[in-house]
Amino acid sequence: AQSVTQPDIHITVSEGASLELRCNYSYGATPYLFWYVQSPGQGLQLLLKYFSGDTLVQGIKGFEAEFKRSQSSFNLRKPSVHWSDAAEYFCAVGMNFGNEKLTFGTGTRLTIIP
Amino acid sequence: GAGVSQSPSNKVTEKGKDVELRCDPISGHTALYWYRQSLGQGLEFLIYFQGNSAPDKSGLPSDRFSAERTGGSVSTLTIQRTQQEDSAVYLCASSLGGSGGTGELFFGEGSRLTVL
Repeated sequence: AQSVTQPDIHITVSEGASLELRCNYSYGATPYLFWYVQSPGQGLQLLLKYFSGDTLVQGIKGFEAEFKRSQSSFNLRKPSVHWSDAAEYFCAVGMNFGNEKLTFGTGTRLTIIP
Repeated sequence: GAGVSQSPSNKVTEKGKDVELRCDPISGHTALYWYRQSLGQGLEFLIYFQGNSAPDKSGLPSDRFSAERTGGSVSTLTIQRTQQEDSAVYLCASSLGGSGGTGELFFGEGSRLTVL
């Protein structure tokens, strides 16, 4: 069975600083990988996804993520965070199209300080 | 509708009561999912519908939990004889599903259930 690990429960970053959120997955085949963001009181919104091809994927709000098969990782990055980026971030892994059942990590809460 | 709609947004109930949570997916989405989000636990998969059928209900935690979907649209998650450990946010998501799937789930804002 697939699994996702987000080792950082809570990260605090200064506004304007760079950000990297870690995600490791366990899955026997090539996975489909996702990052979702959840703002307080809101549902989850897709930031970006990786299916195949270029291992560096660009998403919305200036985020990017890099798939590294050798490290079973799919870390999320942003060069310069904004106060509005404060939210909970979830990494997820899926198996195939047609059944978008996803397995989620436990999330990383991002706090932005002035 | 424009997005996935869930009701009620908040529900407080007494232990032992039954509750029903409703999800109205995006029009045209054939796949529908229920997840549970507990504090510090991430999102836990409960059940998946393709049309009105539930090919994967492996995440339902006990026989107190059931779900149905009618007309390939609205879904209802029912929890019978609620327990305090059922307190969580219940999230519904929909997707195109089938060969038209893009891999993206669209989530509602959730129903927060508190069992006293």
